[in-house]
Amino acid sequence: QQQVKQSPQSLIVQKGGISIINCAYENTAFDYFPWYQQFPGKGPALLIAIRPDVSEKKEGRFTISFNKSAKQFSLHIMDSQPGDSATYFCAATSNDYKLSFGAGTTVTVRA
Amino acid sequence: DADVTQTPRNRITKTGKRIMLECSQTKGHDRMYWYRQDPGLGLRLIYYSFDVKDINKGEISDGYSVSRQAQAKFSLSLESAIPNQTALYFCATSDRTDPDQPQHFGDGTRLSIL
Repeated sequence: QQQVKQSPQSLIVQKGGISIINCAYENTAFDYFPWYQQFPGKGPALLIAIRPDVSEKKEGRFTISFNKSAKQFSLHIMDSQPGDSATYFCAATSNDYKLSFGAGTTVTVRA
Repeated sequence: DADVTQTPRNRITKTGKRIMLECSQTKGHDRMYWYRQDPGLGLRLIYYSFDVKDINKGEISDGYSVSRQAQAKFSLSLESAIPNQTALYFCATSDRTDPDQPQHFGDGTRLSIL
């Protein structure tokens, strides 16, 4: 049973558009929420992460929004580019090492 | 991440065979992990190790075993492979002194069991 539920499974966005991926969790002990980006043939790589003491974190075109009361967090990719085409995984942990991953979202950015 | 090297990159084998997947790292990290990735399921933790003498079961350890031969080497074994172990396997490392302990992944081993 997955502890982190991720949606959608896939999405297609036009170049310059906004991609939004949502995740939800039940375990209130989770206190660290990273997002990983994976390109075909490669391992996942840390993209951005947030702790529940803030509601938003932005790094370049990538923003995490965090809603502690709803137990939800989301990744927004602004001004999506073809190079952003990848699979994105949300994750959560309560101890900084034992990550629970979402099922993944494949993002395709059309030029 | 070239600092985390997995071998082989691809392997096809038959049911019942013993298989070893190897992982080595040059990052100097103390913690190492093995995951499997399946479509629609994300990554699931098989085993993790905090140092050479500390090995722990993860979410789905049945049918797998591991060995931490040195701080830099962590191998995963399938004693008697079965078709539902066909998956993409990833090794990862992290540094316990890093406040957020991001995990650094290798490029994976694609394993097919016929």
